[in-house]
Amino acid sequence: GQNIDQPTEMTATEGAIVQINCTYQTSGFNGLFWYQQHAGEAPTFLSYNVLDGLEEKGRFSSFLSRSKGYSYLLLKELQMKDSASYLCAVLDSNYQLIWGAGTKLIIKP
Amino acid sequence: GAVVSQHPSRVICKSGTSVKIECRSLDFQATTMFWYRQFPKKSLMLMATSNEGSKATYEQGVEKDKFLINHASLTLSTLTVTSAHPEDSSFYICSAGTSSVSYNEQFFGPGTRLTVL
Repeated sequence: GQNIDQPTEMTATEGAIVQINCTYQTSGFNGLFWYQQHAGEAPTFLSYNVLDGLEEKGRFSSFLSRSKGYSYLLLKELQMKDSASYLCAVLDSNYQLIWGAGTKLIIKP
Repeated sequence: GAVVSQHPSRVICKSGTSVKIECRSLDFQATTMFWYRQFPKKSLMLMATSNEGSKATYEQGVEKDKFLINHASLTLSTLTVTSAHPEDSSFYICSAGTSSVSYNEQFFGPGTRLTVL
C-alpha cells in the first residue's frame, strides 16, 4: 500500500529552527509537496521537489532524497504565525496526490 | 493568480436535506477539480476527481449517488451532499488543477464546513 509518515506534533521556540521529516512509500513518484494548513483553513502551497537536493525559499527550505523516500521541511527564524499543520503529499505514478496526516507545529514564545 | 473560491464557507442543515457546495476557479481555467473531505486532526481524503464535461471519478468507498459532482465548465464544479446525515459533517475542500502549471500544483479553495444536525 501507499504510505506517508510524518510526526504528529512538534514544538519549537520562536526564533529557532525546526525540521519536519516525511518518509514515503508510494507506487511511483512524480514529486513531493509541502503545504501549510492553519486550523479551519484550506492548505496553502509551500514547496515542490521532484529532484534530489535542497530547495530554498526565504525562511522555508525543502529537501528531497528519492533513493531514501525521504523529505524534510526546514523552517528558520520561527514566528508565532508559523504555528500550523504542515502536510507532506506525494504525487504517485497516476499523478494522484497521496497525503500525509500532517504535523502540527506549536511555536512557543 | 490561481485563486479558487468556495461557497458557502459554512453551512448548518437538518438531517435529510441536501447541500450544494460550489467551487470556482476565478482567474484560470481548471482542467481538473478535486474534492476532499477532512475530519478534525486527520489528513485530507480525496473523494473524487472531475474533468470538465465528463463524469467524476470517485475514490473507493465514496458513494457517487450520495455525493453528486457536476463539473459544468472550466471554472465551476459543484458537490451536492444528498440526504445529509450527521456523519457527513466535515470540512469539504475543493482544489483545481491546470495544465499550465508544470508541476501539477493544485490550488485549494478555502473550504466549506458542513454541520448536519
